[in-house]
Amino acid sequence: GAGVSQSPSNKVTEKGKDVELRCDPISGHTALYWYRQSLGQGLEFLIYFQGNSAPDKSGLPSDRFSAERTGGSVSTLTIQRTQQEDSAVYLCASSLVGSSGANVLTFGAGSRLTVL
Amino acid sequence: SQKIEQNSEALNIQEGKTATLTCNYTNYSPAYLQWYRQDPGRGPVFLLLIRENEKEKRKERLKVTFDTTLKQSLFHITASQPADSATYLCAPTSGGSYIPTFGRGTSLIVHP
Repeated sequence: GAGVSQSPSNKVTEKGKDVELRCDPISGHTALYWYRQSLGQGLEFLIYFQGNSAPDKSGLPSDRFSAERTGGSVSTLTIQRTQQEDSAVYLCASSLVGSSGANVLTFGAGSRLTVL
Repeated sequence: SQKIEQNSEALNIQEGKTATLTCNYTNYSPAYLQWYRQDPGRGPVFLLLIRENEKEKRKERLKVTFDTTLKQSLFHITASQPADSATYLCAPTSGGSYIPTFGRGTSLIVHP
């Protein structure tokens, strides 16, 4: 597609429920990222996928968080047993990792998660 | 640990003036540094990238400097316009890392 698409744009859920957030990256982009942005805070890295390599999960805050990327394209971020502190905007980004070594990210509009 | 500092207070300036935003970093030596713009309710949008061996980079009304001795980048918007009002994020990134780390951003408000 022309840009990075994320769905849903808004999600309100009750504490303890599971949620799935979807990201459709730019076609041909080999790298995909998930970040989290809480109110007034910076972007917190969650997970990074690059091609067929094992993902870098070093930013996932707990084992309630998981993500997968199917067929090297669409990614789903799953949060199990949601807590109120999970409320944030979840941003997905993709990039074409080039030989220059510099990585410019194209972000989606984000999925705003509110846990009641 | 790596630390990135951007002014947390909003920068208020008059239309037509030059806005200067600061990004300081400590405890690492980034190979390159990016600046992004974020509008409310939207994801960040890439503006400029500057490498460690470059002192300055320009794009239209935007100018970025990168001082590896001071561990600082300055982001300038000349002839600022109300449409430039947004939050600006810097992302110094270590060589060999494909995961940009972002500062909290500085809010710029340009008054007509």
